[in-house]
Amino acid sequence: GQQLNQSPQSMFIQEGEDVSMNCTSSSIFNTWLWYKQDPGEGPVLLIALYKAGELTSNGRLTAQFGITRKDSFLNISASIPSDVGIYFCAGQLDSGAGSYQLTFGKGTKLSVIP
Amino acid sequence: DSGVTQTPKHLITATGQRVTLRCSPRSGDLSVYWYQQSLDQGLQFLIQYYNGEERAKGNILERFSAQQFPDLHSELNLSSLELGDSALYFCASSVVKGSEQFFGPGTRLTVL
Repeated sequence: GQQLNQSPQSMFIQEGEDVSMNCTSSSIFNTWLWYKQDPGEGPVLLIALYKAGELTSNGRLTAQFGITRKDSFLNISASIPSDVGIYFCAGQLDSGAGSYQLTFGKGTKLSVIP
Repeated sequence: DSGVTQTPKHLITATGQRVTLRCSPRSGDLSVYWYQQSLDQGLQFLIQYYNGEERAKGNILERFSAQQFPDLHSELNLSSLELGDSALYFCASSVVKGSEQFFGPGTRLTVL
């Protein structure tokens, strides 16, 4: 099946630093989504991207949909302690049969040092 | 709060048993998705329902089944449980097919 390669697996950064993480796929997707998950909680949607080349921001978060439709990145600017968590990328492809399942990356665990 | 509710929050049971996990989608959402999250496999898609009909199956075992009821809530049934079924099970919903999916808080299943 499809697999997403998400990197890095983990990051330790100082508060105030910028963060960048990315996902690549062997297959194309129609939609890329980025989620954040805190321990014991469900993933929370951060940003959704619908067009190749699209660049979208949500506060300090910026994400882009790669022009090949096989990759996406997420940037977090001026990190703060509450940014700690696991960030997941997810790709969605309309199979044409009404299936819109998400394929997830393995996650990037972010730790912020105050 | 995503608006998606799941019960129970935690479930502890024994091997060979059968359990039912329940999900209520956000108001107005017609699509429901079930995902399994384990340490080794990550988040894996299990099954999707749209307005009561099954739309897609992922890596769902034959021992697992699901349904979506007329009021749009969904249940995931896990039977003949094995130790390896211990995981977090998430339900997600979306307004229409293909739109953004919002996740519930999950059910943590522990099989002893």
